[in-house]
Amino acid sequence: EVVLTQSPATLSLSPGERATLSCRASQSVDSYLLWYQQKPGQAPRLLIYDASNRATGIPVRFSGSGSGTDFTLTISSLEPEDFAVYYCQQRKVWPPLTFGGGTKVEIK
Amino acid sequence: EVQLLESGGDLVQPGGSLRLSCAASGFMFRTYAMSWVRQAPGKGLEWLSTIRESDDGAYYADSVKGRFTVSRDSSKNNLYLQMNSLSVEDTALYYCASPRSPGLNMIFDYWGQGTLVTVSS
Repeated sequence: EVVLTQSPATLSLSPGERATLSCRASQSVDSYLLWYQQKPGQAPRLLIYDASNRATGIPVRFSGSGSGTDFTLTISSLEPEDFAVYYCQQRKVWPPLTFGGGTKVEIK
Repeated sequence: EVQLLESGGDLVQPGGSLRLSCAASGFMFRTYAMSWVRQAPGKGLEWLSTIRESDDGAYYADSVKGRFTVSRDSSKNNLYLQMNSLSVEDTALYYCASPRSPGLNMIFDYWGQGTLVTVSS
């Protein structure tokens, strides 16, 4: 099973600041790493697939990078609606498909 | 417009059973692999099961293997999750999810709103 470790658990930032979220895999997942955003009371929303590809309708301030075992989601300038929980997911080695534990981006 | 609408969540006693449904619309359901993902209260996402587009194979997480069964009725555009031998650890919001493109790509572009399963005596 591929274990995905997200850090930090919580990121406290102000609107306009840059957010950098990390996801580390226990073994290589090549570029098969995805990022989701989840707001309270809502279903997850796909942001990035295969490490660096923005999903349809996702603003350009969201970007993903990395390959192998180390991945980063960057939000270049936080908007008020970006404060949420972010999850990574790998689709290289499954079953089981695995998600990271999440990073909460909160308002400082 | 793609829509996924889960139903069937309820309060059930430990050891009981429940069948969840997911009604899909807006895409050619029979050509898409479909999945179930759950989220326990205040916790992260957990993949449970995926059924292939042709209903010729299904995959399960170890936590539900042997207790849960995924199925689909492509004539009705419905996905199901039969859950048996439920325990308090199965208490969660259950989502169905699908990709944007046909096949088994495991990219969850679309999610339902979830249906709540509570296991308690």
